[in-house]
Amino acid sequence: QLQLQESGPGLLKPSETLPLTCTVSGGSISGTGYNWAWIRQPPGKGLEWIGSFYYDGGTHSSLSLKSRVTISADTSKSQFSLKLSSVTAADTAVYYCARHYGGSSGIGFEYWGQGTLVTVSS
Amino acid sequence: QSVLTQPPSTSGTPGQRVTISCSGSSSNIGSNYVYWYQQLPGTAPKLLIYRNDQRPSGVPDRFSGSKSGTSASLAISGLRSEDEADYYCAAWDDSVSAWVFGGGTKLTVL
Repeated sequence: QLQLQESGPGLLKPSETLPLTCTVSGGSISGTGYNWAWIRQPPGKGLEWIGSFYYDGGTHSSLSLKSRVTISADTSKSQFSLKLSSVTAADTAVYYCARHYGGSSGIGFEYWGQGTLVTVSS
Repeated sequence: QSVLTQPPSTSGTPGQRVTISCSGSSSNIGSNYVYWYQQLPGTAPKLLIYRNDQRPSGVPDRFSGSKSGTSASLAISGLRSEDEADYYCAAWDDSVSAWVFGGGTKLTVL
């Protein structure tokens, strides 16, 4: 069974860069059609897609976050990562990693990590 | 303000059938598939419906999805106490080239 686990700092100060890693076990992160996403959820609010790393090596991010987001993957470690720069209190959220297959007409975000709470506070 | 519009809350009694609506536009629901996710309290979302009306393995057939034009619906029949959760719709939006979600609907089982 595929499992995803987020890891990273739980607390950051404003203007710092948030580094998060998602470790995938029970399967490879390589493979045609398998894409890897970051999604966040501010406390008490809804879900927001941050961006995805695609099986062909490409990445794509939400327009609102694009200038601050870097998504990459290390297939040798079965990990993919998110870096979000210049964080503010508005970036306080639970951050999830997830797998989606088949792109925008695929089968959706079928596997999720448990999520990690990131708090931005001075 | 979410791109997809859902009612903030709904409720039902055990055994009842409830529906949750999701309204979008021609650039998202109108031209792409709709997905539904269930988020139980304190847990990660779970894929409930994909490609408008398809259920992943393990999802009970009490859950069903439909789409018409720029709107979609999730129906839950034979409501059970364990269905109490937040439900989110999602779709790809061609105008912003992004996955967009609804604001979520909190289902209370009375």
